[in-house]
Amino acid sequence: AQSVAQPEDQVNVAEGNPLTVKCTYSVSGNPYLFWYVQYPNRGLQFLLKYITGDNLVKGSYGFEAEFNKSQTSFHLKKPSALVSDSALYFCAVRDIINFNKFYFGSGTKLNVKP
Amino acid sequence: EAGVAQSPRYKIIEKRQSVAFWCNPISGHATLYWYQQILGQGPKLLIQFQNNGVVDDSQLPKDRFSAERLKGVDSTLKIQPAKLEDSAVYLCASTPTGLSNEQFFGPGTRLTVL
Repeated sequence: AQSVAQPEDQVNVAEGNPLTVKCTYSVSGNPYLFWYVQYPNRGLQFLLKYITGDNLVKGSYGFEAEFNKSQTSFHLKKPSALVSDSALYFCAVRDIINFNKFYFGSGTKLNVKP
Repeated sequence: EAGVAQSPRYKIIEKRQSVAFWCNPISGHATLYWYQQILGQGPKLLIQFQNNGVVDDSQLPKDRFSAERLKGVDSTLKIQPAKLEDSAVYLCASTPTGLSNEQFFGPGTRLTVL
């Protein structure tokens, strides 16, 4: 079955430090992977995606993600965190075999302290 | 380009009442999704439309929830009668045709059932 796991409910980092938000997935076929961010009282906002090609994907607001096929992971990273990055982050996988459905992780709350 | 529109943004009803939510996707987007997001969880797919046809409604509680997308453009999700556990944010998303495309989300409707 298709699934996404975000093992950390919350990640705390200091402003200026690097951050990592973890994601692992399970999917039949080639993985189509996405990261979204959600600010309070807002819908989800697309950050970046991996479809094929380079394992390091760059996205919006300085975020990047590293695809690792052997570990079935797609961790979100940023070299230097900002207080404004504090939000809820969701990893998602698209099941291209079964109706092109998207499966979301449970989310990770990122807290960036000044 | 205009984003995904949803209304209302907030709704408070008593249990056993009915409620309807409206979504207008981005122009030209063939696929429309309705998600339920309970506080602290990731979005859960309720129903997925391709143009005006239902692709997947396996997670839709059909005894109380219904949805339609009559002309393949905007969509309505209805709950009748509502239960306390329906309190959640209802998100609408759309994607253009193509497997590599990400979803575009509306701001959501926050439903509180008292």
